[in-house]
This record gives sequence, C-alpha cells and structure tokens, in this order.
Amino acid sequence: GENVEQHPSTLSVQEGDSAVIKCTYSDSASNYFPWYKQELGKRPQLIIDIRSNVGEKKDQRIAVTLNKTAKHFSLHITETQPEDSAVYFCAANLYGQNFVFGPGTRLSVLP
Amino acid sequence: GAVVSQHPSRVICKSGTSVKIECRSLDFQATTMFWYRQFPKKSLMLMATSNEGSKATYEQGVEKDKFLINHASLTLSTLTVTSAHPEDSSFYICSAETDLNGYTFGSGTRLTVV
Repeated sequence: GENVEQHPSTLSVQEGDSAVIKCTYSDSASNYFPWYKQELGKRPQLIIDIRSNVGEKKDQRIAVTLNKTAKHFSLHITETQPEDSAVYFCAANLYGQNFVFGPGTRLSVLP
Repeated sequence: GAVVSQHPSRVICKSGTSVKIECRSLDFQATTMFWYRQFPKKSLMLMATSNEGSKATYEQGVEKDKFLINHASLTLSTLTVTSAHPEDSSFYICSAETDLNGYTFGSGTRLTVV
C-alpha cells in the first residue's frame, strides 16, 4: 500500500522567511496530493492541493510542487507570519481509496 | 459544496460506556465513508472504510468489535466506540467521496474517556 514520509518533523523560521516541507510517496498510482494545516485543538483544514496532471500550483503565499517521477511533493510558504504556526500534514490519495497522511510537520514562525 | 456534518464535536464519557459518532452527508450521497483517528500530536490514521449496505473493512490493528461502524444509508455512517477506555481518547474524523475526484471531511469529534 501507499506510504507517505514527511520532513522535517519540526521547522522554525523567522517571520518573513520562507518555509518548505517535503513529502514522498510510494505508490505511483496516487493522483491527488492535499496539504492540511491543523491548529491546536482544531480539525485539519485543507490549504492547497495538487493533482498528478499538474506540476505546480500557487495560492497567494502558498505553493505546492509535484515531481511525479521522483514521487515527491513539497509545500512552500513565503513571507511567513506568526499565524502560519501550526502542524502541517501532507497526504496522498488515489480516488476511491483512503487518504494516507504523512506524520506531520510542526512549523513555528518566530516574531 | 458538499458537506459532511459530524456530531458530536466533543464528548466526554465514563470508562465502560459507549459513544456513537455520526457523519451525515447533507447534499450528496456518500457511497463510501472513511473513518480516521488522530492520537494527540500524531497524524491521522485510517481506521476503517465503510460502504453503504455492506460490512466495513477495518485496518490491521483496529478492533471491529470495539469500533462498530454502520453505513445503513447513503447519507449516514456511524462509528460507535463500545466499552470505551481512556486509551480510546482521541480525535475521530470521517471523510466521504463526493463526486469524481472530490472529497470532504467531517468536522471531527474529540472523545475524552475519563
């Protein structure tokens, strides 16, 4: 089955700097890759996603890149702000199957 | 868009009692519902997959007699934690397929067993 790895497990950046979180997946059939942000005590919230027919997607300060050949995808957050501090989860999915989540990255944006 | 209503959002129960969590699709038919569990400071892990009208498929290590899943209709799936114990305290969340390549998550249920 699918296996998703995520790095780093913790990340601290200065406010205004960029943050990058990387995930790798094992099943080449997976075709949907969402990223979730989870604040303390709250449910995961979808922040951006990418499908396998696209290499990059951007939404304001957030972008995701996908390398299907290498089977990895990354979340990029630019101009980080304190409210970006949270735990971020990547996931891989093939429609009709369940999501497989990465172990999460705790991002701290230092003022 | 497609919405899954999950209730309750929080529940505190005594050890040994049972708790039922409901996920209801409001404006679409959820043929398949996935149930996930999240331990504190951990990632979400799939517990089981339920298909309307058939028995749920449980992941390895998940006790089917303890976590009863019912998916009797296309709009309702339930997870019942039977004889709950403190180690069952967790965040439970459901996810349903909405249409081609579409998904939605419930709002989650935080269960605390005391």
